[in-house]
Amino acid sequence: ETGVTQSPTHLIKTRGQQVTLRCSSQSGHNTVSWYQQALGQGPQFIFQYYREEENGRGNFPPRFSGLQFPNYSSELNVNALELDDSALYLCASSALSGSRTAAGRELFFGEGSRLTVL
Amino acid sequence: DQQVKQNSPSLSVQEGRISILNCDYTNSMFDYFLWYKKYPAEGPTFLISISSIKDKNEDGRFTVFLNKSAKHLSLHIVPSQPGDSAVYFCAASNNDMRFGAGTRLTVKP
Repeated sequence: ETGVTQSPTHLIKTRGQQVTLRCSSQSGHNTVSWYQQALGQGPQFIFQYYREEENGRGNFPPRFSGLQFPNYSSELNVNALELDDSALYLCASSALSGSRTAAGRELFFGEGSRLTVL
Repeated sequence: DQQVKQNSPSLSVQEGRISILNCDYTNSMFDYFLWYKKYPAEGPTFLISISSIKDKNEDGRFTVFLNKSAKHLSLHIVPSQPGDSAVYFCAASNNDMRFGAGTRLTVKP
């Protein structure tokens, strides 16, 4: 059973550029969530994907967009990068969106992609 | 949106004593609550959870208490060990999961 993997682990961009971050979910999981964690803060919910559809979104502007593929892997795209977008971006997979069981709710996180915007 | 709050950014306890981490939430629609532990350079890992229909869940040295009327939960670690030193995040779930800002626990030998 493979865990959640994210790429790249680190990257540096300049303001105004675009970035794509990638995530492979844990085997057997069909739901992927993306979080932004700024320094000293908790993970902030960006959005969740279930069966290739966006299934919930946090308070992030439209320049944050995503995709989920048939194999349940996912991408996070951020356009027109701003300095404040510098953060650790965490991907997490879970067994089933809106599951009624604790096991279904548990999120399994990758190690994150650290983005620096200069 | 601060639906989940951890008001103590740090906590230091002596090895063998009890650690109590606190969390408050505002959204009464949350129906599961979880605690995650995070070491540097790693993603958060699940520690323990509790359903909103319960008021206590215990797993070894870790116990989570839920007070729905106060919209408050706490994590107790007894006895605390140096390996417990990490950042602890409280999370609350309905269709998606929201996290608090974290509490850095330091357990001194």
